[in-house]
Amino acid sequence: NAGVTQTPKFQVLKTGQSMTLQCAQDMNHEYMSWYRQDPGMGLRLIHYSVGAGITDQGEVPNGYNVSRSTTEDFPLRLLSAAPSQTSVYFCASKYRQSSYNSPLHFGNGTRLTVT
Amino acid sequence: KNQVEQSPQSLIILEGKNCTLQCNYTVSPFSNLRWYKQDTGRGPVSLTIMTFSENTKSNGRYTATLDADTKQSSLHITASQLSDSASYICVVTYTGGFKTIFGAGTRLFVKA
Repeated sequence: NAGVTQTPKFQVLKTGQSMTLQCAQDMNHEYMSWYRQDPGMGLRLIHYSVGAGITDQGEVPNGYNVSRSTTEDFPLRLLSAAPSQTSVYFCASKYRQSSYNSPLHFGNGTRLTVT
Repeated sequence: KNQVEQSPQSLIILEGKNCTLQCNYTVSPFSNLRWYKQDTGRGPVSLTIMTFSENTKSNGRYTATLDADTKQSSLHITASQLSDSASYICVVTYTGGFKTIFGAGTRLFVKA
């Protein structure tokens, strides 16, 4: 039982390049989400999904796209990378969005640098 | 404005000593408050959850308190160990559990 797996662990991009951050969970969780973590700030929600085929925007969605074709996978796409997207990205999941007393299970993050 | 503020930003203590981390929040309506531990280079891991009716909850050497009237929570670490060096993040869930705010965290360094 691997939990939440994120790849890659590190990535360097040039401004304007695109890439996809991968996230997979093996806990059969309906709810999956992406966060970014910046120094001195709390984690901020980028996009989330309450089930396969359903996605929605979070607090800071601009410049990012997501899709959820299966329960297990929730990739995050950067369309045209900008230096402001330099951050650590975390994928997290839990059984259901409404199971508010259940914890989020986090992956170990992807550290992205945009030059 | 819904906010979660943690103090101190960082803290250095000697191994074996106790410490207390603070979390103040201004969200409504409150659902629960959870403390996470984040080791360097890893994702956050849940330590404990506090619901509205709970005042104190322990998880080993970690004890969390909640005062729902003053909207304050604390995390007390007893007999600290080197492995306690990490960031501790306070997370408040509100609006029926559909919204969550993360605090910026307290960075704890435990020195031998």
